[in-house]
Amino acid sequence: KFMLTQPHSVSESPGKTVTISCTRSSGSIASNSVHWYQQRPGSVPAAVIYEDDQRPSGVPGRFSGSIDTSSNSASLTISDLKTEDEADYYCQSHYGTNWVFGGGTWLTVL
Amino acid sequence: QVQLVESGGGVVQPGRSLRLSCAASGFTFSNYGMHWVRQAPGKGLEWVAIISYDGIDKDYADSVKGRFTVSRDNSKKMLYLQMSGLRAEDSAVYYCVKDFSHWGQGTLVTVSS
Repeated sequence: KFMLTQPHSVSESPGKTVTISCTRSSGSIASNSVHWYQQRPGSVPAAVIYEDDQRPSGVPGRFSGSIDTSSNSASLTISDLKTEDEADYYCQSHYGTNWVFGGGTWLTVL
Repeated sequence: QVQLVESGGGVVQPGRSLRLSCAASGFTFSNYGMHWVRQAPGKGLEWVAIISYDGIDKDYADSVKGRFTVSRDNSKKMLYLQMSGLRAEDSAVYYCVKDFSHWGQGTLVTVSS
């Protein structure tokens, strides 16, 4: 088993770029794919990145994902920030068929 | 399109049991493993359980192991979560999830006396 650690919160101004990290506690981040979810208050989580760096249809190109084996972490980058990007963001990976979620990061856009 | 509709949530006393259901449609239910994920009020997402496509293999988060049982009825396209020995910390919205892109709307469980 492993844990995924995210910063509790980040903030940035509209039009800027923000990166949210997700660090895996043990085992290689490259061993299992990472998904990223956006959850606005009162809404169901929605995937914005899947399989490390793939964008579901309908998700703007401003959202991108990557992994870095040197820091054993995954990252979600949102460019040209908009106020509607303000939300919780969760990373998720798996071991076998079991899922692991990061603790979530609240993004403030102000 | 894929639809997952949970039901069965409500208010229940500590120590009691509750069964959640999830009705699936829009895909070949019997081909897919299914998950339950929960989210306590104001908290993050927590994976709860998985059941294989044929119902044979199951696994649980440590926090619910021995108290919750996941099952399915492929003929009815239904997923279930039997919860027993409920505790206050089990209070959460419970989501039925097919994969990263298909989540139900969730059903709220509140454990309170």
